[in-house]
Amino acid sequence: GENVEQHPSTLSVQEGDSAVIKCTYSDSASNYFPWYKQELGKRPQLIIDIRSNVGEKKDQRIAVTLNKTAKHFSLHITETQPEDSAVYFCAASKTSYDKVIFGPGTSLSVIP
Amino acid sequence: DGGITQSPKYLFRKEGQNVTLSCEQNLNHDAMYWYRQDPGQGLRLIYYSQIVNDFQKGDIAEGYSVSREKKESFPLTVTSAQKNPTAFYLCASSPQGNYGYTFGSGTRLTVV
Repeated sequence: GENVEQHPSTLSVQEGDSAVIKCTYSDSASNYFPWYKQELGKRPQLIIDIRSNVGEKKDQRIAVTLNKTAKHFSLHITETQPEDSAVYFCAASKTSYDKVIFGPGTSLSVIP
Repeated sequence: DGGITQSPKYLFRKEGQNVTLSCEQNLNHDAMYWYRQDPGQGLRLIYYSQIVNDFQKGDIAEGYSVSREKKESFPLTVTSAQKNPTAFYLCASSPQGNYGYTFGSGTRLTVV
């Protein structure tokens, strides 16, 4: 089955710096890659997603890139703010009705 | 709760007892999912259902059971066969197609 790895497991950055989280997946049939943000004690929330027919997608300060050949995808957060501090999960799935497999998460701390 | 409601928020269970966690959605989503989250860890899939009266095992289904008699409801029963049930349980739903999950606010189950 699909396996999603995520690095780093923890990340600390100074406010205003950029943060990058990288994920790899094992199943070449995967074609949908969402990212979720989970603040302490709260539910995960979808922040951005990308499909396999797109190499990059941006939404204000966040962007995702996808390299299907290498089976890598990454989350980039620019101009980080303290409210960006949370656990971020990458995920992958194959088809419209398929289950989503999550990576283990990255705990991001933005230091004011 | 953004259209998907989990209850109760906190639940205490004695060893050897079964307990049922409720998940209700009014988003008209076809698919529903149950994940387990342990401290500092990612989301592991317990069961999922893509259509009423049908469901599939996830990666850690042992000791759990579900039903999907209505589109809106996907209750999870944690049975006495589950050896380590203390965890944070998250229910999610999604529409047809890869549009990301909407999560409930979770149920924190503690075995006493």
